[in-house]
Amino acid sequence: DIQMTQSPSSLSASVGDRVTITCRASQSISSYLNWYQHKPGKAPKLLIYAASYLQSGVPSRFSGGRSGTDFTLTISSLQPEDFATYYCQQTYSTPQTFGQGTRVEIK
Amino acid sequence: QVQLVESGGDLVKPGGSLRLSCAASGFTFSDFYMHWIRLAPGKGLEWVSYISDSGRTLDYADSVKGRFTISRDNAKNSLYLQMNSLRAEDTAVYYCARDPKYLPDYLDYWGQGTLVTVSS
Repeated sequence: DIQMTQSPSSLSASVGDRVTITCRASQSISSYLNWYQHKPGKAPKLLIYAASYLQSGVPSRFSGGRSGTDFTLTISSLQPEDFATYYCQQTYSTPQTFGQGTRVEIK
Repeated sequence: QVQLVESGGDLVKPGGSLRLSCAASGFTFSDFYMHWIRLAPGKGLEWVSYISDSGRTLDYADSVKGRFTISRDNAKNSLYLQMNSLRAEDTAVYYCARDPKYLPDYLDYWGQGTLVTVSS
């Protein structure tokens, strides 16, 4: 199975901060990488697909990038509604696998 | 609007069985692949199972293979997960999610989940 390693596992940030989360794949996955936001008790929400494409309706402060097997999710200016857990997911090979999550908390 | 509503979660003893359902609305259910994903306490998301739009192609995580069965009824806009021989490690919130069949794959809508607790 392809391992997805997210870092950091948690972070504290203030409203307005620029936040970057990294996800590293254990082997090449091309751009088969998606990012999701999850709040407790809610449905997970697709933010970014195919490494860098913004899902319809998602604010433009979210962006995704790729360098080889390293992927990033960047929130350019953190908003109160962005405090949540973020997961990366690879769909390059079966089984699809997720990172362990990054919890973004209020500083 | 697209809605996915899971149901059927419960407290069950080890070795027991449970059937989860996912009711879909707001889209043409038969046009989409569907998945089950779970979130165990203190852990990350884990993909569980997949079913094609027709229901002819199925796939399972090794951790549930031989114990869980995914199915769908396109006439009823419903997805199911039959869970047998349940173990403590199956305790999790189970989500159904829609797959629009594009490449690269992604899951564009999820339900809010249903809690399965396996404990004696």
